[in-house]
Amino acid sequence: KAGVTQTPRYLIKTRGQQVTLSCSPISGHRSVSWYQQTPGQGLQFLFEYFSETQRNKGNFPGRFSGRQFSNSRSEMNVSTLELGDSALYLCASSLALSNINEQFFGPGTRLTVL
Amino acid sequence: AQSVTQPDIHITVSEGASLELRCNYSYGATPYLFWYVQSPGQGLQLLLKYFSGDTLVQGIKGFEAEFKRSQSSFNLRKPSVHWSDAAEYFCAVGAGNNNDMRFGAGTRLTVKP
Repeated sequence: KAGVTQTPRYLIKTRGQQVTLSCSPISGHRSVSWYQQTPGQGLQFLFEYFSETQRNKGNFPGRFSGRQFSNSRSEMNVSTLELGDSALYLCASSLALSNINEQFFGPGTRLTVL
Repeated sequence: AQSVTQPDIHITVSEGASLELRCNYSYGATPYLFWYVQSPGQGLQLLLKYFSGDTLVQGIKGFEAEFKRSQSSFNLRKPSVHWSDAAEYFCAVGAGNNNDMRFGAGTRLTVKP
């Protein structure tokens, strides 16, 4: 069974641009969560999608948004990029909306903002 | 809101020695607790989790953790560390009704030969 895949693995953008990251969950998983990982702030929860609806959101500005498609694939978008958005963005998939189900993490997308 | 503290930023142990990584959590209700490991350039892998029941939980790769409600702790242990255990370890707490997890800052483990 294929794991969680994230594309692209690496991205370089400049301030003010926007970026879209993609996540394909494990087959059969309907929940997709996104996390931002930085050396200063650590791992922070961005949002979670289940059945194409955002179910839970962390404390990030509106520049960070996401969506989920009917096949459970998810994208997250960051508009008007800032230097501080440089981070590893991790996607995790799970069977359902509960911590009882294990979350499986992808390898991440490394975003560098210049 | 839930939160996690990992007091040790970096720990160095000799190969074959025992290991204990500390984790303290804050959560008003029954916590869902997790330990993850992250190797360089990799995503996170679940080592073990605690929801209820036996307070000593066994995980993969020979790791175990003990939940102590009175101390709000969920420390990770391994009796004999292998060089391949060198990685970053994250403790996390969840609420149970969604997949929002709050992670600690992580503990980087170095293993000396």
